[in-house]
Amino acid sequence: TQLLEQSPQFLSIQEGENLTVYCNSSSVFSSLQWYRQEPGEGPVLLVTVVTGGEVKKLKRLTFQFGDARKDSSLHITAAQPGDTGLYLCAGPSGTYKYIFGTGTRLKVLA
Amino acid sequence: DAGVIQSPRHEVTEMGQEVTLRCKPISGHNSLFWYRQTMMRGLELLIYFNNNVPIDDSGMPEDRFSAKMPNASFSTLKIQPSEPRDSAVYFCASGPMGGPYEQYFGPGTRLTVT
Repeated sequence: TQLLEQSPQFLSIQEGENLTVYCNSSSVFSSLQWYRQEPGEGPVLLVTVVTGGEVKKLKRLTFQFGDARKDSSLHITAAQPGDTGLYLCAGPSGTYKYIFGTGTRLKVLA
Repeated sequence: DAGVIQSPRHEVTEMGQEVTLRCKPISGHNSLFWYRQTMMRGLELLIYFNNNVPIDDSGMPEDRFSAKMPNASFSTLKIQPSEPRDSAVYFCASGPMGGPYEQYFGPGTRLTVT
């Protein structure tokens, strides 16, 4: 059974701090996606990483896919209150299914 | 362009009642997914439709749950009879291809069964 474990589960930081959240599995994934979900809304896709070792940047967010394609990280530089939300990683399981990680709930305090 | 539309946004019902959740996918998308999200179990796929046809319903928890997609612009998820453990947020998502490579989620329906 493929599982995606995310850490930490909860993170509360001050505005301006840097942070990294992790998504780990014992299984190899052909790609991984990261989503952000704000309270009362559905998840919104941030990025898809497909190549081992790949690094993608989205403004202050940096996403990395592990060389072995079993893990991924999301680094946020100079966090802002608008970054608050639930961060989910997701990986394909079969032709059309994606399984979602356990999530990291981030709160950035002004 | 409008995103995925779900209704109602909130539903409170008593145990044993029938509940129907509705979804209008993004026009032109041919994949539709129903998910359930709880604190304990996270986001779980319930059922997947491709071109209005149910492809995989292995995530549907019990026979009390059923889903239909009568046309490309409408889907329903029905729970009959509802139970308190069905309380969760239910999301509908649609995608432009025959797979989940891009999924666009609706705002969700928060269901509370008392």
